[in-house]
Amino acid sequence: EAQVTQNPRYLITVTGKKLTVTCSQNMNHEYMSWYRQDPGLGLRQIYYSMNVEVTDKGDVPEGYKVSRKEKRNFPLILESPSPNQTSLYFCASSLMGQGGDTQYFGPGTRLTVL
Amino acid sequence: KQEVTQIPAALSVPEGENLVLNCSFTDSAIYNLQWFRQDPGKGLTSLLLIQSSQREQTSGRLNASLDKSSGRSTLYIAASQPGDSATYLCAVFCLPDKLIFGTGTRLQVFP
Repeated sequence: EAQVTQNPRYLITVTGKKLTVTCSQNMNHEYMSWYRQDPGLGLRQIYYSMNVEVTDKGDVPEGYKVSRKEKRNFPLILESPSPNQTSLYFCASSLMGQGGDTQYFGPGTRLTVL
Repeated sequence: KQEVTQIPAALSVPEGENLVLNCSFTDSAIYNLQWFRQDPGKGLTSLLLIQSSQREQTSGRLNASLDKSSGRSTLYIAASQPGDSATYLCAVFCLPDKLIFGTGTRLQVFP
């Protein structure tokens, strides 16, 4: 089954404790991205990647890191989480980035930073 | 800076009604526009994708139109059903390879 998977689905952590949210897709997509969703603000892009070893900042990259060492994986790293990073996070992928294609979203990761 | 607005923010209709959801964007330089559905606590599901050169797309009871010059798109849902209850999001794909979302319309269809 074609899908985007994220782990963990739920995470409660404390300020400053490094964490990684994994994202994997099995559709051989080149474009992958991370979003956060907050009430009243909608979905905002954090980082995106056009292909392996190519990443770029979205609208709200502060406090986040990403890497794209393999085509299928695009982990989101919070080196020192803070309470304002409490949010619902989505990973997405599409076949190509430039020009745009149908975006496939993962199920989301609900993160709480205390 | 591209901004995407969706009106209304919430909508409650009886089953069977035809309804229209609106999406507007400020910069017409877009590659495409997508409509998504989001169920509570779930991810997003793509419903329709309209390329910038197209005027509309249809899938089952859904029809989406795009007027790029005026910065508007509408999602038409025919014969609404309780199972259509969800939040509907539109998003535009624009330079440099960014997907910009509206804040959504929360739809409730009651029996």
